[in-house]
Amino acid sequence: DAGVIQSPRHEVTEMGQEVTLRCKPISGHNSLFWYRQTMMRGLELLIYFNNNVPIDDSGMPEDRFSAKMPNASFSTLKIQPSEPRDSAVYFCASSDNRGIREQYFGPGTRLTVT
Amino acid sequence: QKEVEQNSGPLSVPEGAIASLNCTYSDRGSQSFFWYRQYSGKSPELIMFIYSNGDKEDGRFTAQLNKASQYVSLLIRDSQPSDSATYLCAVYSGSARQLTFGSGTQLTVLP
Repeated sequence: DAGVIQSPRHEVTEMGQEVTLRCKPISGHNSLFWYRQTMMRGLELLIYFNNNVPIDDSGMPEDRFSAKMPNASFSTLKIQPSEPRDSAVYFCASSDNRGIREQYFGPGTRLTVT
Repeated sequence: QKEVEQNSGPLSVPEGAIASLNCTYSDRGSQSFFWYRQYSGKSPELIMFIYSNGDKEDGRFTAQLNKASQYVSLLIRDSQPSDSATYLCAVYSGSARQLTFGSGTQLTVLP
């Protein structure tokens, strides 16, 4: 069974450019989470969706960040314009919102903004 | 005060020893508790979960939960160098409807 799929795995871009990160959750999971991880701040929740609806976006750092989930099998996280301080590893995770709510993580996208 | 606290380490143990990782949490309404292992450059991997007071064993791993003390721990018996990683404690609260992660404990098992 395929796990959470993320693309691209690595992204290097110049400051000011638009960056789009993509995620396909595990089939049947109805909650999807976007996290950012840095050495300084650890793992931070940016936003999560339940049944394709954004539930909590309080972790989104600023208006440059936006996330969408147009259907149950796809989500995007967009940064426009990107800045060097956005450099981090971005993880997508999914869970079934029944039971104990365990989350399964994708491989991550390592973003470098120069 | 952080909602989920872990000792950042690093924690070093010799091969074959028991590694003990600890986590405390502040939300008394927390319902489920998770341990994730993260190797350097990789994504967090779920290794254990527990939601009832007491111990839960899975192979060399034992999770322990004490809700009265708001404390959860992970014991790794017969530690192996391949256990060297960062271990993240995560807590699910129904009120928050999301996992809250600790900052992680870096474990090194010395051959």
